[in-house]
Amino acid sequence: DAGVIQSPRHEVTEMGQEVTLRCKPISGHDYLFWYRQTMMRGLELLIYFNNNVPIDDSGMPEDRFSAKMPNASFSTLKIQPSEPRDSAVYFCASSSGTSGRRGNEQFFGPGTRLTVL
Amino acid sequence: GNSVTQMEGPVTLSEEAFLTINCTYTATGYPSLFWYVQYPGEGLQLLLKATKADDKGSNKGFEATYRKETTSFHLEKGSVQVSDSAVYFCALRNYGQNFVFGPGTRLSVLP
Repeated sequence: DAGVIQSPRHEVTEMGQEVTLRCKPISGHDYLFWYRQTMMRGLELLIYFNNNVPIDDSGMPEDRFSAKMPNASFSTLKIQPSEPRDSAVYFCASSSGTSGRRGNEQFFGPGTRLTVL
Repeated sequence: GNSVTQMEGPVTLSEEAFLTINCTYTATGYPSLFWYVQYPGEGLQLLLKATKADDKGSNKGFEATYRKETTSFHLEKGSVQVSDSAVYFCALRNYGQNFVFGPGTRLSVLP
């Protein structure tokens, strides 16, 4: 398996522009997570899905952020409009985690480094 | 709720020194416990895990034992190498619940 795939790996954009980050989870995994990592705040969970349904989006910083998972093999995280404080590394992760499988770990993608000028 | 606490970093050691990174947790029931490692410029990757009390996870010379009586999962390595320089995250997962990560501990190993 190719692991969790994220694109793009690097994104540089100007303030006010729309940014779309993409993720392909590992086939067969039913959980998908979006994280943001910065030096100041560390690793933050933004949102996670189970079977394509958003379960907890309490970590999404504000309405400028939205995430979708139209099918089991694809998810997007969109920021519109982007701001300099959104600059961070965004990670996608997936896991198999049905009841009783709490021992299944998360697999992380390589991340997208976003810079908003 | 569930939470994970790790020792503050950064931790700086000389090569071949003994490493301990403390991790304690708060959770109901019997969570699984994990250590993840993040090398510079990369995503997190699983280092080791333990799914029940007294289990010992081990990988690449690292070990951690699930201690329910002290709610701890301390990471140890007998002799660190420069290549072990990274950020280490302790995490837990409970039944039907999400992962909870600690804040991470940065380790620097000097030659």
